[in-house]
Amino acid sequence: DTGVSQDPRHKITKRGQNVTFRCDPISEHNRLYWYRQTLGQGPEFLTYFQNEAQLEKSRLLSDRFSAERPKGSFSTLEIQRTEQGDSAMYLCASSYPGLAATGELFFGEGSRLTVL
Amino acid sequence: AQKVTQAQTEISVVEKEDVTLDCVYETRDTTYYLFWYKQPPSGELVFLIRRNSFDEQNEISGRYSWNFQKSTSSFNFTITASQVVDSAVYFCALRPETQGGSEKLVFGKGTKLTVNP
Repeated sequence: DTGVSQDPRHKITKRGQNVTFRCDPISEHNRLYWYRQTLGQGPEFLTYFQNEAQLEKSRLLSDRFSAERPKGSFSTLEIQRTEQGDSAMYLCASSYPGLAATGELFFGEGSRLTVL
Repeated sequence: AQKVTQAQTEISVVEKEDVTLDCVYETRDTTYYLFWYKQPPSGELVFLIRRNSFDEQNEISGRYSWNFQKSTSSFNFTITASQVVDSAVYFCALRPETQGGSEKLVFGKGTKLTVNP
């Protein structure tokens, strides 16, 4: 499968715990995006990378959230001290400059976080 | 500010009916892109179409067609002769055309389409 891969697909955690999600983009894509989607809502932008550089962060990305893409390939999204409001689907997408400039993104199936 | 409104939360039709999904957007940018994405039950959003703000020509792709009207800030999506496989949540999205600026897509809340056999 050469699509965008996310792991784990579902994570259940207790409030206050840390969680980390991983995203493996399509191999030739140098742009990687994280979005968050809560029930009944559209995806909301969190951040994006071009290669290893984090170029844009949403104000939604509080201090408890951190994203990395150390070698310009896979990316991790960590949430520290989780809160119930963090329960959502975390979507990863990738693209390359020609398509990214026009907004055509390739999404993974998402990682669903449930905070108890 | 950028905003996308999809007033229809859920639509249910019977197979072979035509259905139109509405999308109204707000932006102060003069140049922007509009999109439709499909999210099937598996959760993976799938790109359907992109439209540049300068191109108001309607587009048809098989059973899908899109009507972009800048005068009413609308970008509606019609599925002709709907099929059960069309059942999904459909999102309209907006992004300004940027050179080194923001790349975020602003999505509407989505319209859940159910096509019954």
